[in-house]
Parts: sequence; C-alpha cells; structure tokens
Amino acid sequence: EAGVTQFPSHSVIEKGQTVTLRCDPISGHDNLYWYRRVMGKEIKFLLHFVKESKQDESGMPNNRFLAERTGGTYSTLKVQPAELEDSGVYFCASSLLGSGSGDTQYFGPGTRLTVL
Amino acid sequence: DQQVKQNSPSLSVQEGRISILNCDYTNSMFDYFLWYKKYPAEGPTFLISISSIKDKNEDGRFTVFLNKSAKHLSLHIVPSQPGDSAVYFCAASVGTYKYIFGTGTRLKVLA
Repeated sequence: EAGVTQFPSHSVIEKGQTVTLRCDPISGHDNLYWYRRVMGKEIKFLLHFVKESKQDESGMPNNRFLAERTGGTYSTLKVQPAELEDSGVYFCASSLLGSGSGDTQYFGPGTRLTVL
Repeated sequence: DQQVKQNSPSLSVQEGRISILNCDYTNSMFDYFLWYKKYPAEGPTFLISISSIKDKNEDGRFTVFLNKSAKHLSLHIVPSQPGDSAVYFCAASVGTYKYIFGTGTRLKVLA
C-alpha cells in the first residue's frame, strides 16, 4: 500500500512569488492534515480536512495560505505571496478514523520550501 | 507557550544499552500520546502510542511510560541499535485531531 506522497520535495522561490504544494493521502483515508516545521523547531499543526471539508484551520498562519481538497482526495496548499518566514518543511499526514484518541496519523516525506 | 516539551535536544548512547527519551506536557486534558521517529529528509514515522488510561505500552524494543501526575512521558529503547539513530518527536492530542509536537530529541547510537 502506498504511503502519503508529497510534491515537490523541494521548492525554492523568491519573496512575493506563489507556490503550490500537493499531498496525496493514503487511499481510503478521509482525514488529511497539514503541518509545518520551521528551522528545527516543533512540528506545528496547520489544518485538518475530513474529506473535502475543513474541520479545523486554526493553525493557518494568515490569509496568504490557502488549502483545498476538492473531491476529497488529494490536497493542495498554496502560499501567495510567499514571505521569507514561510520557509520550512511542510508535512502532510492522513488518518483513517479521525478521532484523536486511538487514531494514528501517517506522514509524508514533506516539501522543503525555501523563500529567498 | 509550548504545551509539549522535549528539554534534551540530543542524546548519545552506546549500542546495546538503554536509550531513554523524555517528554513533559502542561495540558492535563491530553488523552493520547505518541512517539514518532524521523530520519533526515524523510517524514516522521509512527513508532508507538499510549492512551491516557494506561501507564505503559510495549512494542518489541520500544516501551512508552506515562506518568499523568507528573505530566511526563518517556520512551525506552532496549537494546539500542545504530539504526535507531534519528530525531524522536513526542506528540499529544486532546481528543481532537490536532497533534501537538515537541521540538524533538536527536538520538545517536554509537557502535
């Protein structure tokens, strides 16, 4: 069974440009999450989808970030316009049950975003 | 305000000995705890978890201990192997879908 996949693995853009990250969850997982790790710090929650609906987007930094999951399959995270502080590794995760207790989130390899 | 803290950024252990990684938390409402392992350029890989109704969970060489009164979680790896060298993240959740992670501890197992 394929795991969570993310594309691209690495993106280098200039400040002010737009970048779109993609995540394909494990097949059958209705729950999809985005996280970010900045400069060796903790991995921080950004948002959670159940199918195509946003359940919790409390971790989204600001309105320059837009996440979508049309059709409830893959998800995209767009940053527009990108700022220097957006640099970091963006992880996607998926889970089957979606309940916090007893559920396990499986992570993708991440997209390393560098904003110059 | 960090709710999950891993105060040791790094740890070195001899092969075959025990590795003990520690994690402290502040939110008494957390009801599910996990440990993830991360190799460079890879995503975090689930290792082991424990519900707040338990105080110990074991899976092969890995055991997680939960001390709710002290708000403390630890991961024991016995015996440690060179392949265990990685960054270990502690995570917790409050019955929601949002995992709160610590900053990680880099474990180095020396051959």
